[in-house]
Amino acid sequence: DGGITQSPKYLFRKEGQNVTLSCEQNLNHDAMYWYRQDPGQGLRLIYYSQIVNDFQKGDIAEGYSVSREKKESFPLTVTSAQKNPTAFYLCASFSPNPGQGASEAFFGQGTRLTVV
Amino acid sequence: AQSVTQPDIHITVSEGASLELRCNYSYGATPYLFWYVQSPGQGLQLLLKYFSGDTLVQGIKGFEAEFKRSQSSFNLRKPSVHWSDAAEYFCAVGARGATNKLIFGTGTLLAVQP
Repeated sequence: DGGITQSPKYLFRKEGQNVTLSCEQNLNHDAMYWYRQDPGQGLRLIYYSQIVNDFQKGDIAEGYSVSREKKESFPLTVTSAQKNPTAFYLCASFSPNPGQGASEAFFGQGTRLTVV
Repeated sequence: AQSVTQPDIHITVSEGASLELRCNYSYGATPYLFWYVQSPGQGLQLLLKYFSGDTLVQGIKGFEAEFKRSQSSFNLRKPSVHWSDAAEYFCAVGARGATNKLIFGTGTLLAVQP
């Protein structure tokens, strides 16, 4: 079955550590996005990639980094510079809608990151 | 700038009752509009979307939504709620252009009473 896989489901990080969240998709989608979800705040965009080897900062990119070396993979690293990393992180890929703008997003099951 | 407002943070309805979740958007032209549902600890699932054409959109699980340009609204409705509909619902607006950037509302948490 096609879909998006995020791992791990739960992740614990010590203060000062970098951690990497995995996002893999087999939908053959070009566009992949990372969102952060906090209670009562909806989803906020961290980083996005419209195509392999290219990515852009979203609204809350500080303290995060990404790479897009393969079409299928878009890992997110939460660095020690992120002061409040405890949150639910969602990865999404978008079905093609060439030049027309927003299309349907397919979401992974999320990773809950907790700082201990 | 685009924005989405979901005025109701939390709604409780009885099983079998009708449901309407409100969504208002701000956008300079006709946007793309979406409703997503999220069960606890899970990702988001698309319920329905509006791109163009008929302003009454049918979705999965018996949901529908109506795009009203004059009111800048895209309210979600269901005639008879089931206990399994208890979840959080997000409205989102997307721009017509080169990217897939979506702006999400803050969500409405739906509780269903037996």
